[in-house]
Amino acid sequence: GAGVSQSPSNKVTEKGKDVELRCDPISGHTALYWYRQSLGQGLEFLIYFQGNSAPDKSGLPSDRFSAERTGGSVSTLTIQRTQQEDSAVYLCASSKQGGTNEKLFFGSGTQLSVL
Amino acid sequence: QQQVKQSPQSLIVQKGGISIINCAYENTAFDYFPWYQQFPGKGPALLIAIRPDVSEKKEGRFTISFNKSAKQFSLHIMDSQPGDSATYFCAAKPSGSARQLTFGSGTQLTVLP
Repeated sequence: GAGVSQSPSNKVTEKGKDVELRCDPISGHTALYWYRQSLGQGLEFLIYFQGNSAPDKSGLPSDRFSAERTGGSVSTLTIQRTQQEDSAVYLCASSKQGGTNEKLFFGSGTQLSVL
Repeated sequence: QQQVKQSPQSLIVQKGGISIINCAYENTAFDYFPWYQQFPGKGPALLIAIRPDVSEKKEGRFTISFNKSAKQFSLHIMDSQPGDSATYFCAAKPSGSARQLTFGSGTQLTVLP
């Protein structure tokens, strides 16, 4: 595709339910990032995938959060037993190789609302 | 601990004026400083970036000024236009193995017509 695609664009769920958020990076991009954007806050790093290397999970806020990247392409962010404080926009970004000065291309995000 | 502090939180400027957004950082290992622009309902997009070996970088109406000794950098938007109305994020990335950008909290810019 032409850009980073995220689905769904909006997700409303009940507290305690599990949710899965999907990210399709730009074709050929080996680096993939998940960020969380809470209202009035900056972008909070969650997890980083680079090729076949072990992911950098240092930003995941709790063990309820996990992410996978299958075949070096599509990624899924899973939040188990959702809480109201999980409500935020979840942004996915990709870059060619994850280099120091590389430009990140962001998707439009998934707006998650936990009732 | 927030590693990149951004101000102001919001900014209103008249068309044709200069918009100035400031950021300060703590981690001296940071060596790449981009600015991202985000329109409502969209993801952030890279606007301009600077490395600490230069004190200023200009691209069109957008200029980054960098003060390494003060650990501060700023974005200047000259001749601000209503189409510049967006949220602006500064960010920083350290050298070495860490790959993730650390973002500031954002500045919501409104340029009045």
